[in-house]
Amino acid sequence: AQKITQTQPGMFVQEKEAVTLDCTYDTSDPSYGLFWYKQPSSGEMIFLIYQGSYDQQNATEGRYSLNFQKARKSANLVISASQLGDSAMYFCAMRELTSGTYKYIFGTGTRLKVLA
Amino acid sequence: ETGVTQTPRHLVMGMTNKKSLKCEQHLGHNAMYWYKQSAKKPLELMFVYNFKEQTENNSVPSRFSPECPNSSHLFLHLHTLQPEDSALYLCASSQDYWGQTNQPQHFGDGTRLSIL
Repeated sequence: AQKITQTQPGMFVQEKEAVTLDCTYDTSDPSYGLFWYKQPSSGEMIFLIYQGSYDQQNATEGRYSLNFQKARKSANLVISASQLGDSAMYFCAMRELTSGTYKYIFGTGTRLKVLA
Repeated sequence: ETGVTQTPRHLVMGMTNKKSLKCEQHLGHNAMYWYKQSAKKPLELMFVYNFKEQTENNSVPSRFSPECPNSSHLFLHLHTLQPEDSALYLCASSQDYWGQTNQPQHFGDGTRLSIL
């Protein structure tokens, strides 16, 4: 079973509009961390934002915010005021303790295209 | 300057060649990782090193041989690769493999490997 599910292979958004990228996760570990990364076409993975399982408030970093709904096991990324430079692949990831070892688990990604 | 540097950026090699990928991190981290990224597949964790000791080997074929001489450097030695090994190979580091769940991984730009 998929631990991290990103159901949107591709998304389009108009420049200056907001966009939500979906991520659902599956874990039985009460302590886990959720991350979003951006991967431009050049290849590097850029860390964007983090949400801890015990955090009471949704994480925000500049134009990025994380809509964390723990009961639904979802951690959607919201990008406000989209810019052309936001066009990239976006990966949701989770770090959990499983069988005594830490695992970083990544989703298959969502390709975002910002239109001028 | 990126905190994690990978060389070379691109590599084309024949199946009988021997080559090495290099990764260096300048972040003072103690954990380093090799990932394989193939088209339309989630990131595949290959190896993990923590304080120079191999912590994980996720059933990677022996034609991939990692080496971690110190906490700042990580190599992936390649020998007798197959066409299906063509992919983007990403190196990452984090503060400590056994640390808190809020540790993000910091990635290099990757090496795009093509096997002829």
